[in-house]
Amino acid sequence: DAGVTQSPTHLIKTRGQQVTLRCSPKSGHDTVSWYQQALGQGPQFIFQYYEEEERQRGNFPDRFSGHQFPNYSSELNVNALLLGDSALYLCASSLYPTSGEETQYFGPGTRLLVL
Amino acid sequence: GNSVTQMEGPVTLSEEAFLTINCTYTATGYPSLFWYVQYPGEGLQLLLKATKADDKGSNKGFEATYRKETTSFHLEKGSVQVSDSAVYFCALGGYKLSFGAGTTVTVRA
Repeated sequence: DAGVTQSPTHLIKTRGQQVTLRCSPKSGHDTVSWYQQALGQGPQFIFQYYEEEERQRGNFPDRFSGHQFPNYSSELNVNALLLGDSALYLCASSLYPTSGEETQYFGPGTRLLVL
Repeated sequence: GNSVTQMEGPVTLSEEAFLTINCTYTATGYPSLFWYVQYPGEGLQLLLKATKADDKGSNKGFEATYRKETTSFHLEKGSVQVSDSAVYFCALGGYKLSFGAGTTVTVRA
């Protein structure tokens, strides 16, 4: 049973650039959520995708956007990168709206460094 | 809104010692509660969960009980091993997970 996968594992960008991170959910899951984890902190919710639409959003600016594809995989895009965007970006999948099951399963993350 | 307050670390223990990490929460409704573990350089792994009051979650020797009266979900393990060294996160469920700040645990041989 394939778990959540993310790519790339590491990324280095410079300020002002744009980045795209990718996520494939656990087999059978239809909902993808993205979290940002700054060094030494707990993950913070960015947004959640279900049925190819953004359903919930955390307190992040519009520079953060996403997409969900018909196969349930997802992308996170960040425009106009700032130094403060350096973090571990975690993707999590679940069956929450469908089943009411709140458990989310996480991928290994993409570590983004903005110089 | 929903929030989690987690015991600050770091915590350093000897092998076979007893581990407790305190977690309290504020929530509307009765969301599920979770403990996740993060090993160095990795993502989060689900350690255990409880979906309603008085439920006890358990896994790999770790236990936590969903206490509505004290709004707590403390993590315990009776005898830790070096391999338990990691960062532990308490989280509140719902459409999103609300995490505590994490507690770093180091177990010495």
